[in-house]
Amino acid sequence: EDKVVQSPLSLVVHEGDTVTLNCSYEVTNFRSLLWYKQEKKAPTFLFMLTSSGIEKKSGRLSSILDKKELFSILNITATQTGDSAIYLCAGSGNTGKLIFGQGTTLQVKP
Amino acid sequence: DVKVTQSSRYLVKRTGEKVFLECVQDMDHENMFWYRQDPGLGLRLIYFSYDVKMKEKGDIPEGYSVSREKKERFSLILESASTNQTSMYLCASSPPTRNAEAFFGQGTRLTVV
Repeated sequence: EDKVVQSPLSLVVHEGDTVTLNCSYEVTNFRSLLWYKQEKKAPTFLFMLTSSGIEKKSGRLSSILDKKELFSILNITATQTGDSAIYLCAGSGNTGKLIFGQGTTLQVKP
Repeated sequence: DVKVTQSSRYLVKRTGEKVFLECVQDMDHENMFWYRQDPGLGLRLIYFSYDVKMKEKGDIPEGYSVSREKKERFSLILESASTNQTSMYLCASSPPTRNAEAFFGQGTRLTVV
């Protein structure tokens, strides 16, 4: 059975801290790993990763995939209160079906 | 802009009622999904549709059915609502490209009393 596991489930940091969110996956015929950010509404897309070792970066956020060890990390540097959200990781196989993990709830305190 | 629209933001229904949650997307996407989201459990896939009239069960299909008569519309049906189906329901769509992001609706918070 396909499975995606995120850790930690919740995290509290102070502004300026750097955080690392983890995502491990077991997805049949794996094609891509996606990260989303969810505030009080619909999840919004952050990154899609398909190749090992190639970092994707957007401002203070970056992510990388390890297809040998079946995991991905999402890094956020110099955190701000606006980074407070649930971060969701999803694995996709060749059918296009998306399997999500439990999410990591990040709280950034001023 | 891709738009995925769910018919209701909030719904309150009684135990035993038949409930319809509607989702419409305007990007001609082949794939559509229904998830429920509960604290600590993330998004769990209820049903997935990869074409009109085609569907596949997700991880938690019990107590739910779906209908996809037109490409743009994917309906989730609770045949007889129960209190343990109180949850946030999220619809999403994506193109058939193997590596493509999914776009989400705003969610429907369903309370069954």
